[in-house]
Amino acid sequence: KQEVTQIPAALSVPEGENLVLNCSFTDSAIYNLQWFRQDPGKGLTSLLLIQSSQREQTSGRLNASLDKSSGRSTLYIAASQPGDSATYLCAVENTGNQFYFGTGTSLTVIP
Amino acid sequence: IAGITQAPTSQILAAGRRMTLRCTQDMRHNAMYWYRQDLGLGLRLIHYSNTAGTTGKGEVPDGYSVSRANTDDFPLTLASAVPSQTSVYFCASSGAGGADTQYFGPGTRLTVL
Repeated sequence: KQEVTQIPAALSVPEGENLVLNCSFTDSAIYNLQWFRQDPGKGLTSLLLIQSSQREQTSGRLNASLDKSSGRSTLYIAASQPGDSATYLCAVENTGNQFYFGTGTSLTVIP
Repeated sequence: IAGITQAPTSQILAAGRRMTLRCTQDMRHNAMYWYRQDLGLGLRLIHYSNTAGTTGKGEVPDGYSVSRANTDDFPLTLASAVPSQTSVYFCASSGAGGADTQYFGPGTRLTVL
């Protein structure tokens, strides 16, 4: 069974700092990996989707990398802003439409 | 464009009662999913459907059933609710059964007493 781990569970940084969120998974036979953002009491919003054949994806200040063989992904956020405060979740898709989520990293950006 | 709507927003239910959570999408996505989110456990997949007329089991399917009569609707039924089914339930959809971004609904907060 796939296990997805996110470290750290919580992170607090001053505004303007660059930061990295980590995601690791135990079964490298994935189809894709997605990073999501979740605001309190809300649903999830997809940030980036990396197919298993890709190494990274970028969107604005966000850059996600994938190293499938080592079972790791990172989400890099440049020049953090208070509006980036949220919980960030990574999820992997395995064979048979099985999706597995990490428990998230709660990010607070201090003005 | 509404995207994905879920109903009800929240519900308190007595144990043993039957409950159907509704999910509707207007994006004509083929694939739809139901997840539950619990503190410390993250999101876990309950059931999924790749296309209308087909369904499959996720990681935690016991106690839940789904149907997919058409493209837009994917209801989740708890036949006889138990307190361990207290959770926040999210419906999601994607265009190509996982090879595409998943879009999530706002969630239903269910409490079973």
